[in-house]
Amino acid sequence: GAGVSQTPSNKVTEKGKYVELRCDPISGHTALYWYRQSLGQGPEFLIYFQGTGAADDSGLPNDRFFAVRPEGSVSTLKIQRTERGDSAVYLCASSLDGFGKNIQYFGAGTRLSVL
Amino acid sequence: DQQVKQNSPSLSVQEGRISILNCDYTNSMFDYFLWYKKYPAEGPTFLISISSIKDKNEDGRFTVFLNKSAKHLSLHIVPSQPGDSAVYFCAASAYSGGGADGLTFGKGTHLIIQP
Repeated sequence: GAGVSQTPSNKVTEKGKYVELRCDPISGHTALYWYRQSLGQGPEFLIYFQGTGAADDSGLPNDRFFAVRPEGSVSTLKIQRTERGDSAVYLCASSLDGFGKNIQYFGAGTRLSVL
Repeated sequence: DQQVKQNSPSLSVQEGRISILNCDYTNSMFDYFLWYKKYPAEGPTFLISISSIKDKNEDGRFTVFLNKSAKHLSLHIVPSQPGDSAVYFCAASAYSGGGADGLTFGKGTHLIIQP
């Protein structure tokens, strides 16, 4: 595809529910990143995949958050037992290989609202 | 503890004049710096970057300056155009043995170009 695609663009859920957010990176990009952007803040790093493996998950806030990338392309961010504080825009980015010049290309994000 | 700081939440500049956006960082391990531009309801778009081995990088109307001793960088836009009105994020990256870390972003500066 031409760019990073994220679905859904908006997700409204109730407190306590489980949600999955999907990211389809730029074709050929081996590095994939998830970020969370709260109102008035810059994007905050969550997790980084190099191929199929999570190279760095130090940004995940707690064990309710989990992400997978089983075939090294599409990734899913999973949030269990959602809380109102999880409401934010979740951004996905990809880069060619994550080494050297780390130019990351972002999708439009998924706006998650937990009621 | 913010490692990347953009101390001006907003900046208003007249069309045709120079826009200067500033960014400070605290982490000496950062070795690559990027500026992203963001319109409402879109993901951040890569604008320009600079490696820590350089002190200036220019691309058309956009120039980024890096002062490593002061841990400061700035983005110059000249001449400013109405389409430049957006939120600008400064971001930094540190290379580790396993690949680049996730980007660390500032809170952003909302640039408004006045006609």
